[in-house]
Amino acid sequence: AQTVTQSQPEMSVQEAETVTLSCTYDTSESNYYLFWYKQPPSRQMILVIRQEAYKQQNATENRFSVNFQKAAKSFSLKISDSQLGDTAMYFCAFAGFGNEKLTFGTGTRLTIIP
Amino acid sequence: EAGVAQSPRYKIIEKRQSVAFWCNPISGHATLYWYQQILGQGPKLLIQFQNNGVVDDSQLPKDRFSAERLKGVDSTLKIQPAKLEDSAVYLCASSSVDRMGGYTFGSGTRLTVV
Repeated sequence: AQTVTQSQPEMSVQEAETVTLSCTYDTSESNYYLFWYKQPPSRQMILVIRQEAYKQQNATENRFSVNFQKAAKSFSLKISDSQLGDTAMYFCAFAGFGNEKLTFGTGTRLTIIP
Repeated sequence: EAGVAQSPRYKIIEKRQSVAFWCNPISGHATLYWYQQILGQGPKLLIQFQNNGVVDDSQLPKDRFSAERLKGVDSTLKIQPAKLEDSAVYLCASSSVDRMGGYTFGSGTRLTVV
C-alpha cells in the first residue's frame, strides 16, 4: 500500500518570501502521479500542480514549482513570491497508474503573514 | 465547465440518526470518489465508482455506510445509524478515465454528529 508523509504540520512565512513544503511517499510502483492540493477554509480541494513520475523535468505552474526526486521518493512544493491568498492547508497526494484513487498526506497548514 | 456539486453543505444530526449526502460529478467523468476527511487529517477514500460499478470500497464501514451511483452519474452516500466518530467533511470527487484533467473535488459536506 502507498503512504504519503508530510512532516511539517504548520508553516508560516512573510508575504513575498519563498516557502518550501516537504512530502515523501512510499510505493513499489514505477509509474504514478503526484499532486499538490490546496484546501482553503471553503473546504474545496484545488489542484496546485501535478507531476507524472515518468517525466524527469520538474513541473511548474506560475509561482508554484516542485522538486521531484524519484529515487529518494521526495516531492516538495516551492511557492515563490508568496501571497496572502496562499494561506491554506496543502496536501500532497499520490495516485498509481493502475489504481486511480488518491492517497493523501496529513497536510501542512501554511500561513502567509502580511 | 460546471464543477462537482455536493449537498447539503452542512448537516447536524444526533447519534443513531441517518443522513444522506448527494454528489453530481463533472459531466462525462466516469470515475467518482467519496472521501472522508476528519478534522486535522488528510482525506481518506471511502468508495470509488467507475460508471455505476464499485471499484474499491475496502475502507467503507459497510455495517453503517452505503453508497450508490445509479445510471453512472449522480451518487448518494448514506450513513445509518450515525456515530459520533462519523463527524467529518465528506468530499466527492470525479475524474476522467485518462485523468489528464486530474481530479475535481466538490466543496464537501460538513457532518456533525452530536
